[in-house]
Amino acid sequence: IQLTQSPSFLSASVGDRVTITCRASQGIDSYLAWYQQKPGKAPKLLIYAASTLQSGVPSRFSGSGSGTEFTLTISSLQPEDFATYYCQQLNSYPQLTFGPGTKVDIK
Amino acid sequence: EVQLVESGGGLVQPGRSLRLSCAASGFTFDDFAMHWVRQAPGKGLEWVSGIGWNSGSLGYADSVKGRFTISRDNAKNSLYLQMNSLRAEDMALYYCAKDMSGLPSLAFDIWGQGTMVTVSS
Repeated sequence: IQLTQSPSFLSASVGDRVTITCRASQGIDSYLAWYQQKPGKAPKLLIYAASTLQSGVPSRFSGSGSGTEFTLTISSLQPEDFATYYCQQLNSYPQLTFGPGTKVDIK
Repeated sequence: EVQLVESGGGLVQPGRSLRLSCAASGFTFDDFAMHWVRQAPGKGLEWVSGIGWNSGSLGYADSVKGRFTISRDNAKNSLYLQMNSLRAEDMALYYCAKDMSGLPSLAFDIWGQGTMVTVSS
Protein backbone atom coordinates (compact mmCIF):
# COMPACT_ATOMS: atom_id res chain seq x y z
CA ILE A 1 0.00 0.00 0.00
CA GLN A 2 1.43 3.35 -1.06
CA LEU A 3 0.82 6.60 0.78
CA THR A 4 0.99 10.08 -0.71
CA GLN A 5 0.96 13.31 1.25
CA SER A 6 0.03 16.77 0.10
CA PRO A 7 1.43 19.27 0.16
CA SER A 8 5.03 18.12 0.49
CA PHE A 9 5.98 21.55 1.75
CA LEU A 10 3.86 24.15 3.47
CA SER A 11 4.76 27.67 4.53
CA ALA A 12 2.50 29.10 7.23
CA SER A 13 2.31 31.71 9.97
CA VAL A 14 1.71 31.36 13.69
CA GLY A 15 -2.03 31.19 14.27
CA ASP A 16 -2.83 29.73 10.83
CA ARG A 17 -5.08 26.72 10.37
CA VAL A 18 -3.09 24.01 8.61
CA THR A 19 -4.38 20.90 6.88
CA ILE A 20 -2.27 18.04 5.57
CA THR A 21 -3.76 15.26 3.44
CA CYS A 22 -2.65 11.63 3.29
CA ARG A 23 -4.03 9.31 0.60
CA ALA A 24 -3.67 5.53 0.50
CA SER A 25 -3.49 3.52 -2.72
CA GLN A 26 -6.14 1.18 -1.33
CA GLY A 27 -8.50 1.15 1.60
CA ILE A 28 -6.95 0.90 5.07
CA ASP A 29 -10.06 1.38 7.23
CA SER A 30 -8.86 3.62 10.07
CA TYR A 31 -5.40 2.09 10.49
CA LEU A 32 -3.60 5.37 10.09
CA ALA A 33 -1.27 7.26 12.41
CA TRP A 34 0.32 10.70 12.26
CA TYR A 35 3.77 11.61 13.59
CA GLN A 36 5.67 14.84 14.08
CA GLN A 37 9.44 14.96 13.65
CA LYS A 38 11.71 17.86 14.46
CA PRO A 39 15.29 18.07 13.16
CA GLY A 40 17.64 15.74 15.00
CA LYS A 41 14.82 14.19 17.00
CA ALA A 42 12.88 10.94 16.90
CA PRO A 43 9.32 10.99 15.56
CA LYS A 44 6.53 11.68 18.04
CA LEU A 45 3.11 10.06 17.81
CA LEU A 46 0.27 12.58 17.45
CA ILE A 47 -2.77 10.67 16.23
CA TYR A 48 -3.65 6.97 15.92
CA ALA A 49 -6.63 5.11 14.54
CA ALA A 50 -7.05 8.06 12.16
CA SER A 51 -8.66 10.37 14.71
CA THR A 52 -7.62 9.44 18.27
CA LEU A 53 -5.38 12.02 19.92
CA GLN A 54 -2.39 10.50 21.69
CA SER A 55 -2.17 11.29 25.39
CA GLY A 56 -0.36 14.55 26.06
CA VAL A 57 -0.74 15.92 22.52
CA PRO A 58 -2.34 19.39 22.39
CA SER A 59 -5.97 19.51 21.31
CA ARG A 60 -5.15 21.87 18.41
CA PHE A 61 -4.12 18.69 16.57
CA SER A 62 -6.91 16.60 15.07
CA GLY A 63 -7.23 13.81 12.56
CA SER A 64 -10.04 12.58 10.37
CA GLY A 65 -10.81 10.21 7.54
CA SER A 66 -11.16 6.55 6.76
CA GLY A 67 -10.65 4.28 3.80
CA THR A 68 -8.23 6.05 1.48
CA GLU A 69 -8.26 9.73 2.43
CA PHE A 70 -7.14 11.22 5.72
CA THR A 71 -6.34 14.66 7.07
CA LEU A 72 -4.27 16.09 9.88
CA THR A 73 -5.38 19.54 10.99
CA ILE A 74 -3.60 21.99 13.26
CA SER A 75 -6.26 24.50 14.28
CA SER A 76 -3.90 27.31 15.27
CA LEU A 77 -0.24 26.82 14.38
CA GLN A 78 2.18 27.44 17.23
CA PRO A 79 5.94 28.11 17.00
CA GLU A 80 6.74 24.62 18.31
CA ASP A 81 4.67 23.02 15.52
CA PHE A 82 7.15 23.80 12.76
CA ALA A 83 8.33 20.31 11.86
CA THR A 84 7.88 17.50 9.36
CA TYR A 85 4.71 15.41 9.58
CA TYR A 86 4.39 11.81 8.44
CA CYS A 87 1.38 9.57 8.05
CA GLN A 88 1.72 5.80 8.47
CA GLN A 89 -0.61 2.99 7.44
CA LEU A 90 -0.81 -0.05 9.70
CA ASN A 91 -3.49 -2.02 7.86
CA SER A 92 -1.24 -4.35 5.93
CA TYR A 93 1.26 -5.88 8.34
CA PRO A 94 3.91 -7.01 7.59
CA GLN A 95 4.10 -4.27 4.98
CA LEU A 96 3.76 -1.10 7.00
CA THR A 97 4.46 2.13 5.18
CA PHE A 98 5.01 5.79 5.90
CA GLY A 99 4.06 8.70 3.72
CA PRO A 100 6.86 10.84 2.24
CA GLY A 101 6.33 13.63 4.76
CA THR A 102 5.09 17.22 4.81
CA LYS A 103 7.48 19.91 6.00
CA VAL A 104 5.77 22.82 7.74
CA ASP A 105 7.92 25.92 7.67
CA ILE A 106 7.63 29.46 8.93
CA LYS A 107 6.31 32.02 6.45
CA GLU B 1 10.56 6.72 32.70
CA VAL B 2 9.67 4.84 29.54
CA GLN B 3 12.80 4.62 27.44
CA LEU B 4 14.34 2.87 24.45
CA VAL B 5 18.09 3.04 23.92
CA GLU B 6 19.63 1.75 20.71
CA SER B 7 23.26 0.70 20.29
CA GLY B 8 25.48 -1.19 17.89
CA GLY B 9 25.62 1.19 14.97
CA GLY B 10 28.85 2.18 13.28
CA LEU B 11 30.87 2.12 10.10
CA VAL B 12 30.81 -1.16 8.19
CA GLN B 13 32.01 -2.23 4.75
CA PRO B 14 29.53 -3.32 2.08
CA GLY B 15 28.74 -7.02 2.37
CA ARG B 16 29.59 -7.20 6.07
CA SER B 17 27.29 -7.65 9.06
CA LEU B 18 26.19 -5.62 12.06
CA ARG B 19 23.91 -6.32 15.02
CA LEU B 20 21.81 -3.57 16.54
CA SER B 21 20.40 -3.71 20.04
CA CYS B 22 17.62 -1.82 21.78
CA ALA B 23 17.32 -1.77 25.56
CA ALA B 24 13.83 -1.08 26.90
CA SER B 25 12.89 0.23 30.32
CA GLY B 26 9.93 1.72 32.14
CA PHE B 27 7.25 -0.57 30.72
CA THR B 28 6.37 -4.26 30.59
CA PHE B 29 8.42 -5.18 27.54
CA ASP B 30 6.83 -8.55 26.86
CA ASP B 31 3.34 -7.03 26.61
CA PHE B 32 4.07 -5.24 23.34
CA ALA B 33 5.16 -5.80 19.76
CA MET B 34 8.32 -3.96 18.72
CA HIS B 35 9.68 -2.54 15.49
CA TRP B 36 12.72 -1.15 13.73
CA VAL B 37 12.34 1.95 11.54
CA ARG B 38 15.14 3.62 9.60
CA GLN B 39 15.76 7.03 8.12
CA ALA B 40 18.44 7.67 5.53
CA PRO B 41 20.17 11.07 5.80
CA GLY B 42 17.78 13.80 4.67
CA LYS B 43 15.08 11.27 3.77
CA GLY B 44 11.79 10.01 5.18
CA LEU B 45 10.90 7.16 7.50
CA GLU B 46 11.00 3.54 6.36
CA TRP B 47 9.59 0.67 8.42
CA VAL B 48 12.16 -2.13 8.47
CA SER B 49 10.89 -4.97 10.63
CA GLY B 50 8.48 -5.94 13.40
CA ILE B 51 8.07 -8.69 15.97
CA GLY B 52 5.20 -9.79 18.18
CA TRP B 53 5.38 -9.92 21.97
CA ASN B 54 6.15 -13.65 21.92
CA SER B 55 8.64 -13.47 19.03
CA GLY B 56 5.94 -14.50 16.58
CA SER B 57 4.47 -12.48 13.72
CA LEU B 58 7.84 -11.57 12.26
CA GLY B 59 7.67 -9.04 9.45
CA TYR B 60 10.18 -7.45 7.11
CA ALA B 61 10.21 -4.77 4.46
CA ASP B 62 10.91 -6.17 1.00
CA SER B 63 14.13 -4.13 0.92
CA VAL B 64 15.66 -6.15 3.78
CA LYS B 65 13.91 -9.52 3.55
CA GLY B 66 16.40 -12.38 3.55
CA ARG B 67 19.23 -10.17 4.85
CA PHE B 68 17.95 -8.83 8.19
CA THR B 69 16.65 -10.81 11.16
CA ILE B 70 14.70 -9.32 14.04
CA SER B 71 14.63 -10.97 17.46
CA ARG B 72 13.91 -10.16 21.09
CA ASP B 73 14.86 -11.40 24.53
CA ASN B 74 12.02 -10.65 26.93
CA ALA B 75 14.11 -11.72 29.93
CA LYS B 76 16.61 -8.99 29.05
CA ASN B 77 14.02 -6.42 27.88
CA SER B 78 15.93 -6.20 24.62
CA LEU B 79 15.24 -6.06 20.89
CA TYR B 80 17.78 -6.90 18.23
CA LEU B 81 18.33 -6.52 14.50
CA GLN B 82 20.91 -8.71 12.81
CA MET B 83 21.88 -7.10 9.52
CA ASN B 84 23.79 -9.18 6.99
CA SER B 85 25.04 -8.45 3.47
CA LEU B 86 24.86 -4.72 4.12
CA ARG B 87 24.54 -2.39 1.16
CA ALA B 88 25.15 1.30 0.64
CA GLU B 89 21.38 1.86 0.60
CA ASP B 90 21.10 0.44 4.15
CA MET B 91 22.96 3.46 5.49
CA ALA B 92 20.57 5.21 7.84
CA LEU B 93 19.66 6.14 11.38
CA TYR B 94 17.92 3.08 12.83
CA TYR B 95 15.18 3.64 15.38
CA CYS B 96 13.72 1.12 17.78
CA ALA B 97 9.99 1.75 18.32
CA LYS B 98 7.41 0.34 20.73
CA ASP B 99 4.04 -0.71 19.42
CA MET B 100 0.99 0.61 21.25
CA SER B 101 -0.33 -2.91 21.48
CA GLY B 102 0.16 -6.16 19.64
CA LEU B 103 -0.24 -6.94 15.99
CA PRO B 104 -2.09 -5.68 14.03
CA SER B 105 -0.55 -2.47 15.19
CA LEU B 106 -2.28 0.80 15.98
CA ALA B 107 0.83 2.99 16.05
CA PHE B 108 4.32 3.32 17.48
CA ASP B 109 4.08 5.34 20.70
CA ILE B 110 7.65 5.28 22.03
CA TRP B 111 10.81 5.76 19.96
CA GLY B 112 14.48 5.62 20.80
CA GLN B 113 16.95 8.25 19.67
CA GLY B 114 18.41 6.00 17.01
CA THR B 115 21.76 4.46 16.14
CA MET B 116 23.55 5.38 12.93
CA VAL B 117 24.68 2.73 10.47
CA THR B 118 27.19 3.84 7.84
CA VAL B 119 27.97 1.47 5.00
CA SER B 120 31.10 2.42 3.13
CA SER B 121 34.36 0.93 1.94
